[in-house]
Amino acid sequence: AQSVTQPDIHITVSEGASLELRCNYSYGATPYLFWYVQSPGQGLQLLLKYFSGDTLVQGIKGFEAEFKRSQSSFNLRKPSVHWSDAAEYFCAVAPSGYSTLTFGKGTMLLVSP
Amino acid sequence: GAVVSQHPSWVICKSGTSVKIECRSLDFQATTMFWYRQFPKQSLMLMATSNEGSKATYEQGVEKDKFLINHASLTLSTLTVTSAHPEDSSFYICSASNSGVNYEQYFGPGTRLTVT
Repeated sequence: AQSVTQPDIHITVSEGASLELRCNYSYGATPYLFWYVQSPGQGLQLLLKYFSGDTLVQGIKGFEAEFKRSQSSFNLRKPSVHWSDAAEYFCAVAPSGYSTLTFGKGTMLLVSP
Repeated sequence: GAVVSQHPSWVICKSGTSVKIECRSLDFQATTMFWYRQFPKQSLMLMATSNEGSKATYEQGVEKDKFLINHASLTLSTLTVTSAHPEDSSFYICSASNSGVNYEQYFGPGTRLTVT
């Protein structure tokens, strides 16, 4: 079965600094890959997804992620973090388009002034 | 568009009682709805998948008699926690899909259940 690992439980970044959140997956083939953000009291919002093609995908709110097959990774990046980015971020995978999602444990992003 | 609501947002109930959580798709018809459970510092664990008018499909280890799921219409699914116990206390999140592909899910804001 597929699994998702987010090694960092929480990360603190200064406002304006760059951000990288790590995600590794365990699956034989290339799965469908997703990043979601969850703010307190709100549902999960899809930031971006990767199915195939260009390994660098752009998402909403200035986020991007890069798929690296050799490392089984799908790390999320943002060049300049804003205080409003403070939230919990989840990486998720699905083996195919008709599969359900498997989530990582999440990374809590804290943004310091 | 693609808004999913949940009601209530939080609920406290006594041990042994049952509690119902509603999940509604507000501006689209949800052919499939999903129920997740989220523990603190843990990932979302899929509990069950339901298609409108059909019985829900439960994940391994989820007690179907304890967590009753009804998907009676294309805009409403309910999760009833029967004979709730303190260990059922958790954050329950629903999501809905209208595209026929299960990874395209729109998530509700969640319901915090506390059983005393």
